[in-house]
Amino acid sequence: ETGVTQSPTHLIKTRGQQVTLRCSSQSGHNTVSWYQQALGQGPQFIFQYYREEENGRGNFPPRFSGLQFPNYSSELNVNALELDDSALYLCASSLDTRPNEQYFGPGTRLTVT
Amino acid sequence: LAKTTQPISMDSYEGQEVNITCSHNNIATNDYITWYQQFPSQGPRFIIQGYKTKVTNEVASLFIPADRKSSTLSLPRVSLSDTAVYYCLVGPRTTGYSTLTFGKGTMLLVSP
Repeated sequence: ETGVTQSPTHLIKTRGQQVTLRCSSQSGHNTVSWYQQALGQGPQFIFQYYREEENGRGNFPPRFSGLQFPNYSSELNVNALELDDSALYLCASSLDTRPNEQYFGPGTRLTVT
Repeated sequence: LAKTTQPISMDSYEGQEVNITCSHNNIATNDYITWYQQFPSQGPRFIIQGYKTKVTNEVASLFIPADRKSSTLSLPRVSLSDTAVYYCLVGPRTTGYSTLTFGKGTMLLVSP
């Protein structure tokens, strides 16, 4: 059984740039969620995808967008990067029948300078 | 969604049993209680989930009293590797979308 993987591990971007983060779900999981975690804080829910459609969103602006592909892999895109976007971005997958039992990837550490 | 309150930090020693209590006074009838563990620079890991009474797995036990306004995560005989942040979350079981909201969690420090 393959766990959740994310790429890249680390990323440094400049303010105003755009970034794409990638996630491969755990085998058999059809739901994927993305979270942003700042230092010393709990993960904050960005959005969730189920059957390739966004079906839940947290308090994040539209410049945060995503995609889920037929193989259940996913992307998180962030446009017009701001310094406050520096954080650990976590992807989590789950079965649609047990969406609160999520399996997280190791995260992508994004630094915006 | 029900709000949860848990201690910011706890200290323990190797071999001791650790109990982390979470308050969720406005838990709804269809809410479940879920606990996650997070090590530094890693994603959270699902530990256990329950609705009422007691749930036990190979990692921990979850005790939920009859009024369900609180729950206690019990870690038997902790080791140094149990040092982590533990999150208590409350939300309904749904199909297709998550209802989890993470707070700041409880930082457990296990010393030799």
